[in-house]
Amino acid sequence: EVQLVESGGGLVQPGGSLRLSCSASGFNFSSHAMHWVRQAPGKGLEYVSALSNIGGSTYYADSVKGRFTISRDNSKSTLYLQMSSLRADDTAVYYCVKGWATPDYWGQGTLVTVSS
Amino acid sequence: DIVMTQTPLSSPVTLGQPASISCRSSQSLVHSDGNTYLNWLQQRPGQPPRLLIYKISNRFSGVPDRFSGSGAGTDFTLKISRVEAEDVGVYYCMQATQGATFGQGTRLEIK
Repeated sequence: EVQLVESGGGLVQPGGSLRLSCSASGFNFSSHAMHWVRQAPGKGLEYVSALSNIGGSTYYADSVKGRFTISRDNSKSTLYLQMSSLRADDTAVYYCVKGWATPDYWGQGTLVTVSS
Repeated sequence: DIVMTQTPLSSPVTLGQPASISCRSSQSLVHSDGNTYLNWLQQRPGQPPRLLIYKISNRFSGVPDRFSGSGAGTDFTLKISRVEAEDVGVYYCMQATQGATFGQGTRLEIK
């Protein structure tokens, strides 16, 4: 069974940093691209970042470019999102997603709240 | 960026009746590899999104056959042949041909 478990969310002040983790199991993690998608409270879905299976290709939404960094450790089947210079509009549930063009499995999400 | 526009944004439907959601992209979603990376996702209340349909018309594992997808180029449709209570939620189209973008979402509710 495919499982994606996000962690690392919480309350952070504007300008602060946070690192999200996504622990994957039930599939060959190193063979699949992975993504982060976020959803602000009561809003729709927004693509944040994507990373190819061996980390050679990355994608960032314009809204996070230069502030967020996606990475992975295939030996630990874990995806990361390092977030810095956080702003109030980064407040959202962050989902870890398996797959590049076909987002076939989603985690339960971790809530990031940016507030003073 | 490719903009995805869904209509309607809200759809009240009677149980057992069909429902249809349209999604239009601001440019063709045909990839250089010949595929069209248009997906449909369902988000039930309080749940993460789940994949229903990928590459226009392919049902994902475990998705009931009352869900179907169609379309080409820039115009796509998700149809539910007979709405059930468990179908309540928000439906999103999503393109992954050039980067990735989502539609605004369509809220399906029971009349």
